[in-house]
Amino acid sequence: QVQLVESGGGVVQPGGSLRLSCAASGFTFSSYGMHWVRQAPGKGLEWLTFIWSDARNSYYVDSVKGRFTISRDNSKNTLYLQMNSLRAEDTAVYYCAKTLPATGAIDFWGQGTLVTVSS
Amino acid sequence: DIQMTQSPSTLSASVGDRVTITCRASQSIGDWLAWYQQKPGKAPKLLIYKASSLESGVPSRFSGSGSGTEFTLTISSLQPDDFATYYCQQYNSYSWTFGQGTNVEVK
Repeated sequence: QVQLVESGGGVVQPGGSLRLSCAASGFTFSSYGMHWVRQAPGKGLEWLTFIWSDARNSYYVDSVKGRFTISRDNSKNTLYLQMNSLRAEDTAVYYCAKTLPATGAIDFWGQGTLVTVSS
Repeated sequence: DIQMTQSPSTLSASVGDRVTITCRASQSIGDWLAWYQQKPGKAPKLLIYKASSLESGVPSRFSGSGSGTEFTLTISSLQPDDFATYYCQQYNSYSWTFGQGTNVEVK
């Protein structure tokens, strides 16, 4: 069965950096586009970024453009999110998620990893 | 950017009720609309994609309709397991946006 397991969350000071990882299994990772989506405490879902299956292209929401970078290693079945210049408002649970091709929808989500930006 | 507006923000209902949630897009998105259910502390779960297609394994009491800018999620007979928060999500030109969510609570 499809599994997405995020790791790398934790507490970081404002201005700091963190790299999240998402280990994928149960499907052919290299065939699917992947997303990162976050949810601030008590708030709604915010889509952050998407990467093509072959990593040739990636897309970002304006609020993280230039600070966050999505990448993937298809040989390791792993998705990454490099987060730089972190702000208090980046505090959230970060989910990696698998796209359902040709639908614009997301059909599987990880359990999420909490990132707290605080001094 | 396309904005998604859900209504209502909170809906109080009883088991057996027919429940309808509305999602409006700030511009036409065709049928590129999905619906998710989320329970506290859990990841979202896909219910509906392409506005009206039921995801595999999702009970048939859930249905979606609409196109263009106005969409609805209907639960035909609310079950105890359905009390949760529901989100719509649009896709357009490699940009995705979620609605703010609708909390379906016990009346």
